[in-house]
Amino acid sequence: TQLLEQSPQFLSIQEGENLTVYCNSSSVFSSLQWYRQEPGEGPVLLVTVVTGGEVKKLKRLTFQFGDARKDSSLHITAAQPGDTGLYLCAGGGQGAQKLVFGQGTRLTINP
Amino acid sequence: DAMVIQNPRYQVTQFGKPVTLSCSQTLNHNVMYWYQQKSSQAPKLLFHYYDKDFNNEADTPDNFQSRRPNTSFCFLDIRSPGLGDAAMYLCATSTGMNTEAFFGQGTRLTVV
Repeated sequence: TQLLEQSPQFLSIQEGENLTVYCNSSSVFSSLQWYRQEPGEGPVLLVTVVTGGEVKKLKRLTFQFGDARKDSSLHITAAQPGDTGLYLCAGGGQGAQKLVFGQGTRLTINP
Repeated sequence: DAMVIQNPRYQVTQFGKPVTLSCSQTLNHNVMYWYQQKSSQAPKLLFHYYDKDFNNEADTPDNFQSRRPNTSFCFLDIRSPGLGDAAMYLCATSTGMNTEAFFGQGTRLTVV
């Protein structure tokens, strides 16, 4: 069974600080997605990474896929209150294997 | 433009009274999923359809059923809701089983 572990599970920081969220597994994934979910809404896809070592940037968010495609990180620079939410990573396996979700990181950015 | 639409956004039902949640998509994706999400936990997959093929997760209670009459629509039926079934229910679609999922806004179910 493929598992994804996210850390930390909860993070509360002040506006303007930097942070990194991790998504780790012992399994290899063909792709990995990051989603952000705001209270009362469905998750929204932020990015998909597919190549080992790949780095993608989305404004102040930087996503990296590990060289071995077993882990990923999300780095936020100069966090803003609008970044508050539940961040979920999800891994796609091979063939007909379904998406596996991490348990999520609840991020709170305090003004 | 909304691509995955769930109705209603909020649903209140009585204990034991059957309830149906609906999901529609304009993406023409092969796969449609239903997830249950409680208290800011990660979404928990209940079942999915790959085209017309239905796949139930092993730990999904029999109380939960689903129908997919065509590519665009999928329904979640809860035959006898219990208090423990109160949750956010999320519908999602994807082109394949292991590709990125596109979620609807969810239906918040309250059982009274």
